[in-house]
Amino acid sequence: GQSLEQPSEVTAVEGAIVQINCTYQTSGFYGLSWYQQHDGGAPTFLSYNALDGLEETGRFSSFLSRSDSYGYLLLQELQMKDSASYFCAVRGLRNTPLVFGKGTRLSVIA
Amino acid sequence: EAEVAQSPRYKITEKSQAVAFWCDPISGHATLYWYRQILGQGPELLVQFQDESVVDDSQLPKDRFSAERLKGVDSTLKIQPAELGDSAMYLCASSLEGTGFEAFFGQGTRLTVV
Repeated sequence: GQSLEQPSEVTAVEGAIVQINCTYQTSGFYGLSWYQQHDGGAPTFLSYNALDGLEETGRFSSFLSRSDSYGYLLLQELQMKDSASYFCAVRGLRNTPLVFGKGTRLSVIA
Repeated sequence: EAEVAQSPRYKITEKSQAVAFWCDPISGHATLYWYRQILGQGPELLVQFQDESVVDDSQLPKDRFSAERLKGVDSTLKIQPAELGDSAMYLCASSLEGTGFEAFFGQGTRLTVV
């Protein structure tokens, strides 16, 4: 089976940078994804990593180290609207479902 | 912009009653997922379809839950009988194929069992 661990809560100041870590255990590995979910809303896709390294998408970047079974989501120039829950999700094998972590609740304060 | 449609948005039902949720994925998306999300936790997979076939239903409580996607398009998730512990958000998601990393989620059905 698969399991993921990420911090339950993170607080950061508007304009700052925050990193949300995710460690995973899987039988097989196809890739790691990140999703954002605002209160009352649906999860929305942010990024994914299938290979080691950093992927950048605007203010958001995601990093993967397959040898360490570790990834992180980096949010730069934090804005109040970034306050949300962030989930890492792993696909263990091709065509298997995405398995989500329990989520990290990010609070951005002024 | 294409969206995953779900109905109803909210459902209150009494314990032991039957309840059904409907999902219409984005057109052309072959893969459809039903997830359950308890407040404060991540989505947990109930069932994955590839077209009309079930790919993974290992976490679906089959004594009370059933899911179908008869024509490989829209899908229905049913609970009978509902239990108090079934209160949760039921999310439907779709993707072009099962190997994709980007799943598109609907707004979900918030189920309250009383």
